[in-house]
Amino acid sequence: LAKTTQPISMDSYEGQEVNITCSHNNIATNDYITWYQQFPSQGPRFIIQGYKTKVTNEVASLFIPADRKSSTLSLPRVSLSDTAVYYCLVVLGDNAGNMLTFGGGTRLMVKP
Amino acid sequence: DTEVTQTPKHLVMGMTNKKSLKCEQHMGHRAMYWYKQKAKKPPELMFVYSYEKLSINESVPSRFSPECPNSSLLNLHLHALQPEDSALYLCASSLDRAGDTQYFGPGTRLTVL
Repeated sequence: LAKTTQPISMDSYEGQEVNITCSHNNIATNDYITWYQQFPSQGPRFIIQGYKTKVTNEVASLFIPADRKSSTLSLPRVSLSDTAVYYCLVVLGDNAGNMLTFGGGTRLMVKP
Repeated sequence: DTEVTQTPKHLVMGMTNKKSLKCEQHMGHRAMYWYKQKAKKPPELMFVYSYEKLSINESVPSRFSPECPNSSLLNLHLHALQPEDSALYLCASSLDRAGDTQYFGPGTRLTVL
């Protein structure tokens, strides 16, 4: 089972780019990397998912190096509303058990 | 409709009570999940239903009993809970396989007295 490690917390200021790195040293060939965002007292919300290289959508980019042992979520020009907990998950590409484990999460605080 | 709904939003129950949490989605998803989340901790997977059959039970105590009456509904029946079971209970659904992108409901905040 691929376990993830993230920084516990990060601070940033409005308008800055934020990069959150997740380590997943024992990722397997079929695993995907997925990031979720969670606000207090709400359910997590899907942000982005990738397998290798770079993925970009309207809210974030995900950078995955060739060895796939880590990944970096990049949030461009953050605002106060991006203050949340960000979770990195490694999700098995096949229908096996124990693949839906959230890591500890990174608490991002965006300051004015 | 891209929403997962959960009822009730808040629930307070005694240790001898029997109550149920309800989750509903109308996105045509065939996988549904229950998670438990304690304060300042990540969600912990409890159960996964795939095509209305229980496919994953993460060694959850029998005082929690899941039920999937149809592909749109997921219930969690609660009986003889302990105060340490107080938490936010999250329901999620995904298109097909466990592991597909999950859509979460807002959760039910449960307090056991």
